[in-house]
Amino acid sequence: AQSVTQLDSQVPVFEEAPVELRCNYSSSVSVYLFWYVQYPNQGLQLLLKYLSGSTLVKGINGFEAEFNKSQTSFHLRKPSVHISDTAEYFCAVSEGTGNNRKLIWGLGTSLAVNP
Amino acid sequence: GAGVSQTPSNKVTEKGKYVELRCDPISGHTALYWYRQSLGQGPEFLIYFQGTGAADDSGLPNDRFFAVRPEGSVSTLKIQRTERGDSAVYLCASSLYPGVGELFFGEGSRLTVL
Repeated sequence: AQSVTQLDSQVPVFEEAPVELRCNYSSSVSVYLFWYVQYPNQGLQLLLKYLSGSTLVKGINGFEAEFNKSQTSFHLRKPSVHISDTAEYFCAVSEGTGNNRKLIWGLGTSLAVNP
Repeated sequence: GAGVSQTPSNKVTEKGKYVELRCDPISGHTALYWYRQSLGQGPEFLIYFQGTGAADDSGLPNDRFFAVRPEGSVSTLKIQRTERGDSAVYLCASSLYPGVGELFFGEGSRLTVL
């Protein structure tokens, strides 16, 4: 069965610094990859996704992620973070076929942006 | 509606009581999911509806948990004989294209079992 590992549970960073949140998954067979963000006291929302095509995916709020099939990774990056990026970030992998795909989630990475 | 709506936002109950949590998905979304999220954890899949039927209920932890979606829109998650271990945030999500996994989440219902 598919599993998702987010290598850092907490990432503290200063404002305007670059950040990378790491995500690895266990199988590269027919998977779709996602990053979701959960701001304090809000629901989860999609940040970006990889379905096919270019391995570099751009999302909302200046985030991007790169799909690396050989390393089974999908790391999230932002060149310069803001205080407002403070949130919980979840990597997820969609496995299965057709309408029976379901998401397997990592445990999350808490990004804390400090002034 | 504009987004996924979940009620109640907070529910405190006593061990052994019955609880219902409601989800109103985005209009037109045929796929509806229930997840459970405990502190410090990622969402844990419970059940997935495609239309009115449960396409996958493999995540329901035991027979105290049940969910319905009788008209293919609003869904209710029902928990009987609640236990303290059921305390969590219950998330509902809907999707227009379930095959590609893009989900729109509600803000969740926080259940506390005393």
